[in-house]
Amino acid sequence: AQKVTQAQTEISVVEKEDVTLDCVYETRDTTYYLFWYKQPPSGELVFLIRRNSFDEQNEISGRYSWNFQKSTSSFNFTITASQVVDSAVYFCALSEAGGTYKYIFGTGTRLKVLA
Amino acid sequence: NAGVMQNPRHLVRRRGQEARLRCSPMKGHSHVYWYRQLPEEGLKFMVYLQKENIIDESGMPKERFSAEFPKEGPSILRIQQVVRGDSAAYFCASSSQQGTEAFFGQGTRLTVV
Repeated sequence: AQKVTQAQTEISVVEKEDVTLDCVYETRDTTYYLFWYKQPPSGELVFLIRRNSFDEQNEISGRYSWNFQKSTSSFNFTITASQVVDSAVYFCALSEAGGTYKYIFGTGTRLKVLA
Repeated sequence: NAGVMQNPRHLVRRRGQEARLRCSPMKGHSHVYWYRQLPEEGLKFMVYLQKENIIDESGMPKERFSAEFPKEGPSILRIQQVVRGDSAAYFCASSSQQGTEAFFGQGTRLTVV
């Protein structure tokens, strides 16, 4: 069965600190996709990144970076020099490729960045 | 290029009434997905539709819930005889094809009183 675990329920950091959000997944598929979404207090879901299972290169986008390690089934997300606007709930998700397409979401990590 | 549009944003229904939630996918997208987010929880898949077809409804409750995506017009998630436990945020997402990222709407927050 597929499963996504975000063990950190809530994290608080002070502005400008770096923070890493953990995501561990389980799947029997050899081909799959991993995602991160941000849900700010306004409630919408904002797409951040999609990674396929064959691409283990780390990704950097501005202050955001992602570390995908198949050996440990992890897809961690790091925010460098956090800002108050980064305060949100962050969801990691997994989907199988081909066939029925649906996301398995983790329970989310609430990040609070304090000024 | 407008994103996924959901309406209404907020919906209040009394127990026993019907709730209709609408979702217009992004232009050019023919795959629609509905998810439910209960308070303080992650999103749970409900149903996956393509135009005029339900592809996967494995996450839909067996009773009172139905979904459609007609040839013309938005996708509709319908909840009959709502109960308090239906109170949640319902998100719609769309994609251009399978295997690509889905873009989510802003959600409809249903409150059953």
